[in-house]
Amino acid sequence: DGGITQSPKYLFRKEGQNVTLSCEQNLNHDAMYWYRQDPGQGLRLIYYSQIVNDFQKGDIAEGYSVSREKKESFPLTVTSAQKNPTAFYLCASSIGTVDAFFGQGTRLTVV
Amino acid sequence: GDSVTQMEGPVTLSEEAFLTINCTYTATGYPSLFWYVQYPGEGLQLLLKATKADDKGSNKGFEATYRKETTSFHLEKGSVQVSDSAVYFCALSFMRFGAGTRLTVKP
Repeated sequence: DGGITQSPKYLFRKEGQNVTLSCEQNLNHDAMYWYRQDPGQGLRLIYYSQIVNDFQKGDIAEGYSVSREKKESFPLTVTSAQKNPTAFYLCASSIGTVDAFFGQGTRLTVV
Repeated sequence: GDSVTQMEGPVTLSEEAFLTINCTYTATGYPSLFWYVQYPGEGLQLLLKATKADDKGSNKGFEATYRKETTSFHLEKGSVQVSDSAVYFCALSFMRFGAGTRLTVKP
């Protein structure tokens, strides 16, 4: 089945540590996106990539980094520079502007 | 810059009531507009979309019309069900999302 997979579903991080969230898709989509969702707020765009080996900052890129070495994969690293990393993170992929398919999300908690 | 303003919630309705969730946007050009739905603990699912002015998107009894003159894309359903309880997001392309409106439908 084609789809987009995020792992893990729940992730705990100690303060000062970097952590990487996985996002994999087998839909053959060119574009991929990372969003952050906080309680009572909408999705805010962190980074997006429209093609392999290229990505752009979204509205809240500070404290995050990404890579796009393969079409299928777009991992997000939450670095220790991110002051308030506890949130629900969503990954999505799309072909053009037709539709975006979302993963099930990763809930990151700093302990 | 581009932005989406969505009706604040929460919204609580009785089953079979009429639903409207307002969404207005600010954008340059002619972006695609979307409504997404999110069930607890899950990602977002596309509910409907419209790619140009006067287009009407529809799905599962929900409808929204892309109104360029009023820069709006309001979501409507004539008769809601308990299973429609979820959070609804209006989106401008994939870059801008509204804050979300939580809908609870009571039997």
